[in-house]
Amino acid sequence: DAGVIQSPRHEVTEMGQEVTLRCKPISGHDYLFWYRQTMMRGLELLIYFNNNVPIDDSGMPEDRFSAKMPNASFSTLKIQPSEPRDSAVYFCASRLGTSGRTGELFFGEGSRLTVL
Amino acid sequence: RKEVEQDPGPFNVPEGATVAFNCTYSNSASQSFFWYRQDCRKEPKLLMSVYSSGNEDGRFTAQLNRASQYISLLIRDSKLSDSATYLCVVRPNDYKLSFGAGTTVTVRA
Repeated sequence: DAGVIQSPRHEVTEMGQEVTLRCKPISGHDYLFWYRQTMMRGLELLIYFNNNVPIDDSGMPEDRFSAKMPNASFSTLKIQPSEPRDSAVYFCASRLGTSGRTGELFFGEGSRLTVL
Repeated sequence: RKEVEQDPGPFNVPEGATVAFNCTYSNSASQSFFWYRQDCRKEPKLLMSVYSSGNEDGRFTAQLNRASQYISLLIRDSKLSDSATYLCVVRPNDYKLSFGAGTTVTVRA
């Protein structure tokens, strides 16, 4: 079975450019999460969706970040304009609602973003 | 104060040794607790849940102390393949998981 699929795996861009990260969750999963990981701050939850609806975006750092989930099989995280401090690994994860109590989130392999 | 705090390590141990480390959490209403494992440059994966009475999964033992708000993980008979970063994870509500920054373990031959 396919896991969570993220693209691109690596992105190097220049400050001020727009960055779009993509995620395809596991089929049938109704929760989707976007996390950011840095050495300094660890894994931070940015936003999560339930049935394609954003539930909690309190972790989104600022207005330069936006996320959408137009359907059950696709989500995007966009940064516009990007800044060097946005450099991090961005993980998408999904979960079936009933597995909440088991705590199992299925992560994609991550998108490693470098903003020069 | 961070929701979940861990000793970053690194814990550098020889094969066959026992290694143990803790994490503390700030929200006393947290409902569930887990350990995730993350290999270098890979995604996190669930290692085990942590139950109130403590639980084992092979060479791994997890303990929970609600009164002191800490969770522990013990690895017995360490293998080279146990080298990884171990993330302490707390579920403060039904849908959110809060991750610690991780404890790095290196097992040497």
